[in-house]
Amino acid sequence: DAGVIQSPRHEVTEMGQEVTLRCKPISGHNSLFWYRQTMMRGLELLIYFNNNVPIDDSGMPEDRFSAKMPNASFSTLKIQPSEPRDSAVYFCASIQGGLGYTFGSGTRLTVV
Amino acid sequence: AQKVTQAQTEISVVEKEDVTLDCVYETRDTTYYLFWYKQPPSGELVFLIRRNSFDEQNEISGRYSWNFQKSTSSFNFTITASQVVDSAVYFCALSETSNSGYALNFGKGTSLLVTP
Repeated sequence: DAGVIQSPRHEVTEMGQEVTLRCKPISGHNSLFWYRQTMMRGLELLIYFNNNVPIDDSGMPEDRFSAKMPNASFSTLKIQPSEPRDSAVYFCASIQGGLGYTFGSGTRLTVV
Repeated sequence: AQKVTQAQTEISVVEKEDVTLDCVYETRDTTYYLFWYKQPPSGELVFLIRRNSFDEQNEISGRYSWNFQKSTSSFNFTITASQVVDSAVYFCALSETSNSGYALNFGKGTSLLVTP
């Protein structure tokens, strides 16, 4: 299995632009998580899906952030409009029934 | 409130020394899971171990060992005979079955530097 695949690996964008991060979970995994890593806050959960349904989005910082999972093999995290404080590494992870917790390589986002 | 505390922010050791990374957690669940991840300079999160709350048996994997003690809510990680390649940030994490379906609460991490 190729593991959890995230794209792009790096993204540099200007403040105010829309940014879309993508994630392909491991086939067969039924839960998907989006985490954000910053120096100030460490690794924090943004949102998680179970069987493609958003279950807990309490970690999404504000309305500028949205996430979707249209099918079992694809999820997106969108920021619109982006701000410099959104600069971070965004990780996607997937599991099956609590097992096999696997992270993608992350997307390093820089908003200038 | 921080559910996972890694009190050591940075540790520096010389190669071949043993080093223990501390992790203290807080939960009211009787069923929970504890994890350790390694984040090398390249940035990816590498899974090291997962333990459930009913299994307090210590585990050894090569130079790595883990000591899980429910009485002190600790899940410490020891690297024996450290090597330069062990230099990384190590994260301890807690997953509570009562909260957000296996979502991980991470500690702040311990940055380990192993020098030759």
